[in-house]
Amino acid sequence: KNEVEQSPQNLTAQEGEFITINCSYSVGISALHWLQQHPGGGIVSLFMLSSGKKKHGRLIATINIQEKHSSLHITASHPRDSAVYICAAWDSNYQLIWGAGTKLIIKP
Amino acid sequence: DTAVSQTPKYLVTQMGNDKSIKCEQNLGHDTMYWYKQDSKKFLKIMFSYNNKELIINETVPNRFSPKSPDKAHLNLHINSLELGDSAVYFCASSHDSLYGYTFGSGTRLTVV
Repeated sequence: KNEVEQSPQNLTAQEGEFITINCSYSVGISALHWLQQHPGGGIVSLFMLSSGKKKHGRLIATINIQEKHSSLHITASHPRDSAVYICAAWDSNYQLIWGAGTKLIIKP
Repeated sequence: DTAVSQTPKYLVTQMGNDKSIKCEQNLGHDTMYWYKQDSKKFLKIMFSYNNKELIINETVPNRFSPKSPDKAHLNLHINSLELGDSAVYFCASSHDSLYGYTFGSGTRLTVV
């Protein structure tokens, strides 16, 4: 069992749909990171959070420390949101443990 | 543009050669990292530097050596390349160990 698990592995949706990607972790963490990897391989940092909720544009990230669960939401999804979204958790030794990623495809 | 830039983007080389991958960041971050992406797409940390000091050194072969001439650069040197070294290597930087990670676009190394 991976220490950081994401679901779903693959997600295809129509433009405009509300998207949710989930991340569960079993390690004790100090913070959780959401990243976006574009088809060309570039990785963009989206959020780093240790509690509550953060919003940036159409992206919202939430974390529940007690339940060891985080979600990334995309409102009014657009084809340019198509990418791999990666959840990564910092363990107590400040090692970054990566989830396997969620491949998101938004169809026009 | 502010960014983390890696060069080269693609590197094909023969077994036994010595090669370097360069990484530069102009974000003013104080920590830089090297990651190796394995066959399952997981990123595993190899090295990190903070103020020219190596602060994380995973059990990677000593054929791999990081070199940081200054705070904005962390280069990865690999000696005596082996087939198993073929992978995508990512450089990253952050403001501190918990905040503001930014990654380079990766270097795909192929050893033949």
